[in-house]
Amino acid sequence: NAGVTQTPKFQVLKTGQSMTLQCAQDMNHEYMSWYRQDPGMGLRLIHYSVGAGITDQGEVPNGYNVSRSTTEDFPLRLLSAAPSQTSVYFCASRWGAGDGKETEAFFGQGTRLTVV
Amino acid sequence: KQEVTQIPAALSVPEGENLVLNCSFTDSAIYNLQWFRQDPGKGLTSLLLIQSSQREQTSGRLNASLDKSSGRSTLYIAASQPGDSATYLCAALYNFNKFYFGSGTKLNVKP
Repeated sequence: NAGVTQTPKFQVLKTGQSMTLQCAQDMNHEYMSWYRQDPGMGLRLIHYSVGAGITDQGEVPNGYNVSRSTTEDFPLRLLSAAPSQTSVYFCASRWGAGDGKETEAFFGQGTRLTVV
Repeated sequence: KQEVTQIPAALSVPEGENLVLNCSFTDSAIYNLQWFRQDPGKGLTSLLLIQSSQREQTSGRLNASLDKSSGRSTLYIAASQPGDSATYLCAALYNFNKFYFGSGTKLNVKP
């Protein structure tokens, strides 16, 4: 199994450009989410999904859009890139057990994004 | 608002020492707590997962405990090795799919 795969690994954008960060998992996990990691601030939740067709906002959703048309894929779109969006982005997935035994989360290797 | 704090932010120890990393969370209504390891420039690797109903979990030289009532978790590393050098992150899972992360403890184990 590949686990959680993120593409690209590195990206440089100019201010105002748009792009999509891809995330795919092959574990048939219901729950997927996007985080950004900034120095000294840990990881912060951007958007999450509890199943195909269902998404919701996290702590820092402004400037980002998501959709979940399939169980496997959860792309993150930057609508108009800004220097403040320079960060490392991580995608995660897990089963949503729903029986009090919530399962561990698996993370991708990250996408390093620089906006100039 | 849920907040997760990790102390210390950095730790440097000689090889062979036993050490404890601390994680505290403000809201005790967690579903589970997960400890991760992150190497420089890499993703997160899951180390241990503790369900809200559990008190501790063990994997090899690692032992994690959870005290929901006091809002604390600790990660104990026995007989530390240079290969343990990394940043250790704790994350508390709340309703739906919301993980809240601490800022991490950067560990350096000197040979």
